[in-house]
Amino acid sequence: GQNIDQPTEMTATEGAIVQINCTYQTSGFNGLFWYQQHAGEAPTFLSYNVLDGLEEKGRFSSFLSRSKGYSYLLLKELQMKDSASYLCAPSDSNYQLIWGAGTKLIIKP
Amino acid sequence: GAVVSQHPSWVICKSGTSVKIECRSLDFQATTMFWYRQFPKQSLMLMATSNEGSKATYEQGVEKDKFLINHASLTLSTLTVTSAHPEDSSFYICSAPRSEGHIYGYTFGSGTRLTVV
Repeated sequence: GQNIDQPTEMTATEGAIVQINCTYQTSGFNGLFWYQQHAGEAPTFLSYNVLDGLEEKGRFSSFLSRSKGYSYLLLKELQMKDSASYLCAPSDSNYQLIWGAGTKLIIKP
Repeated sequence: GAVVSQHPSWVICKSGTSVKIECRSLDFQATTMFWYRQFPKQSLMLMATSNEGSKATYEQGVEKDKFLINHASLTLSTLTVTSAHPEDSSFYICSAPRSEGHIYGYTFGSGTRLTVV
């Protein structure tokens, strides 16, 4: 079967760093996406990894290990506006995104 | 960048009525559109995949006669919730895949909050 495993909720302090882990199992693999979703809004694209390694984009970085079925999203210099749900979504052999429930990130002052 | 415009943003309707949700790709041609539903604190659930000029493909458990999907052109896909009931109240989101060279991604509409009373 196909499944995603992420922590349900995480709490971090403004200005700190947080790492959100994701393990996945899919039928085939065509890359992995990370999305941010604020309550009541549609997901917005953060990153895409198709090869192993780290992709850095400003305050956000994403890492992928295909052999381990593992990815993480690293958020630096946390801001209050980063409070949201973060969705790890691998793409299967049909280029269809597989969605988990996401990780709710709470930022405290 | 690629934009998908989704309307309405929110709608309240009475039980038994129908509601139409539109998704338009503004600056690219969307041959495929994914329709999702999301209940509070739950993951996005794929309802159906629409393809321009052909019948939509529905996921298991999704009633095709209740959730009518039309993809009449390369820039417009619609989802009609027929004979809506309170349990249909949810957040509906469309998403169109797109490719730019060897990179591909997904553009999401802004979502429609449906409340059936």
